[in-house]
Amino acid sequence: EVLLVESGGGLVLPGGSLRLSCAASGLAVSSNYMSWVRQAPGKGLERVSIIYTGGTTFYADSVKGRFTISRDNSKNTLYLQMNSLRAEDTAVYYCASDRNSNYWSYFWGQGTLVTVSS
Amino acid sequence: QSALTQPPSASGSPGQSVTISCTGTNSDIGAYNYVSWYQQHPGKAPKLMIYGVRQRASGVPDRFSGSKSGNTASLTVSGLQAEDEADYYCSSYAGSNNLVFGGGTKLTVL
Repeated sequence: EVLLVESGGGLVLPGGSLRLSCAASGLAVSSNYMSWVRQAPGKGLERVSIIYTGGTTFYADSVKGRFTISRDNSKNTLYLQMNSLRAEDTAVYYCASDRNSNYWSYFWGQGTLVTVSS
Repeated sequence: QSALTQPPSASGSPGQSVTISCTGTNSDIGAYNYVSWYQQHPGKAPKLMIYGVRQRASGVPDRFSGSKSGNTASLTVSGLQAEDEADYYCSSYAGSNNLVFGGGTKLTVL
């Protein structure tokens, strides 16, 4: 059974930093397209970042230069380092994966809430 | 404002069919066959239903089907059941490693 478990969310001041983690079981993060997708309260979905099996990374324009996606293959864990956080970054952040495609994700975690507020 | 346009709501009675549209441009839906659909129940994570325009994800009932014509993709749910009541989101590749989503459609089973 595949499980993706996010952690690290919480309340942070504008301009602050947070690191999200996604611990995977039942799949290898190194062999899957791993993404972070966020959903602001009452809003739609936005793919924030993706890391390919070969290590190539991509970011949405809204977070480019502020967020960094990475993975630790030995811990089978995906990360999202978020710096210079803004109120508009407030959202539930989901970890998502797919074995075969960077255009959609079959497996999803339960999400972790990030609130940026003073 | 979302890149893809979906109606905010749709509804149907049990057993009926309902179709949800997703309109994009010739830079996303019209350019690629990389359209997907997600179902999301309140407080839950999205669930992949359709990928590659019309392929059903593993475990998805054949009551769900996808199609595309020009710049518009559609999700059809046949034989509506109470558990189909949820939010549905479309997504499309838009080139340059960009993925765009619709604003979501709330499906109500009357």
